Amino acid sequence: QKEVEQNSGPLSVPEGAIASLNCTYSDRGSQSFFWYRQYSGKSPELIMSIYSNGDKEDGRFTAQLNKASQYVSLLIRDSQPSDSATYLCAARPSKSTFGDGTTLTVKP
Amino acid sequence: EAGVAQSPRYKIIEKRQSVAFWCNPISGHATLYWYQQILGQGPKLLIQFQNNGVVDDSQLPKDRFSAERLKGVDSTLKIQPAKLEDSAVYLCASSLPGGTYEQYFGPGTRLTVT
Repeated sequence: QKEVEQNSGPLSVPEGAIASLNCTYSDRGSQSFFWYRQYSGKSPELIMSIYSNGDKEDGRFTAQLNKASQYVSLLIRDSQPSDSATYLCAARPSKSTFGDGTTLTVKP
Repeated sequence: EAGVAQSPRYKIIEKRQSVAFWCNPISGHATLYWYQQILGQGPKLLIQFQNNGVVDDSQLPKDRFSAERLKGVDSTLKIQPAKLEDSAVYLCASSLPGGTYEQYFGPGTRLTVT
């Protein structure tokens, strides 16, 4: 079992819809969770971090954390074509571990 | 604030040759990471430094890969000899020590081994 698992893609949504990306982790010692966006041919870019249970909102992005279920999600509201990218989930601190990513395509 | 710098951006070598990558982290970031990212996969941690000490190198293929971070700033990752399966993007990232672990990535080096 991988330490961080992401829902298999690709995920396709129409412009303006809500995109939901999910991630589970196996290490209960993980305390910090991150979402990175990676455009094709580019390096990962940090877009959200979350450390406590509940929701954290930043513009069109909402990260949700449920430590009891070992589950992290990212919601993107009013999806735009520019949101088309691979989204990577990461958990810390026991080991710097990334999931394999979910590729999102937003269709105009 | 300047970001993480890496060089070269691209490198093509033949198998059994050696190659070295350089990374300069964000100023003040004591923690530095080297990752290998194969197409279609997430970044895989190769080595993590805290200042100039190694925190985690459990996934570094030590028979061919080596890394150093002299004076706790710049770092170099070397592969000798290279194999075909080393073809990947090598990413360097840095973060502030302790606390949040938010990592900031450099542009990466795309290595092709022929």
